[in-house]
Amino acid sequence: DGGITQSPKYLFRKEGQNVTLSCEQNLNHDAMYWYRQDPGQGLRLIYYSQIVNDFQKGDIAEGYSVSREKKESFPLTVTSAQKNPTAFYLCASTLAGRSYNEQFFGPGTRLTVL
Amino acid sequence: AQTVTQSQPEMSVQEAETVTLSCTYDTSESDYYLFWYKQPPSRQMILVIRQEAYKQQNATENRFSVNFQKAAKSFSLKISDSQLGDAAMYFCAYRNRPSGSRLTFGEGTQLTVNP
Repeated sequence: DGGITQSPKYLFRKEGQNVTLSCEQNLNHDAMYWYRQDPGQGLRLIYYSQIVNDFQKGDIAEGYSVSREKKESFPLTVTSAQKNPTAFYLCASTLAGRSYNEQFFGPGTRLTVL
Repeated sequence: AQTVTQSQPEMSVQEAETVTLSCTYDTSESDYYLFWYKQPPSRQMILVIRQEAYKQQNATENRFSVNFQKAAKSFSLKISDSQLGDAAMYFCAYRNRPSGSRLTFGEGTQLTVNP
């Protein structure tokens, strides 16, 4: 079955630690995205990548880093510089191009800072 | 930069009744897409309906339809014959035309369906 997987589902971090959230897709999608969702709020874009080895900052990139070494994978690292990392993180992907293509979402990772 | 506003944090509807969720947006582009996504308690984002800005006809998907007013930059979602399974957070989202473009989301509307 094609889809997007995110792991782990729940993640706990001690203050001062870096953690990496995994996002993998087998849909052969070109573009991938990371969103952050806080309680009662909409999704905010952290980073996105439209092609391998290239990515752009979104609205709230500070304290986060990403890599795109493979088309299928777009891991997100939450660094110790992110002061309030407790949130729900969603990964998405889509085919790039001029015509319409839907963004598909993974099931999310809940990150909690202890 | 584009912005999306949902002015109703919470809405409720009786089962089998109709409810309309509001969304306004701001953009200087003329060609774009608008979406409604549903996020049930599982938190999985599900696409409900989409609208292409250059199409005059309002999109419809079974019990879900939109009222797209391009000049007013308004994009409301109507849910007919509401069902208990419709209870969820609903997000309005905007995207420029190229498929790789980012989505900009509104704050969401929490819909409760009362039996």
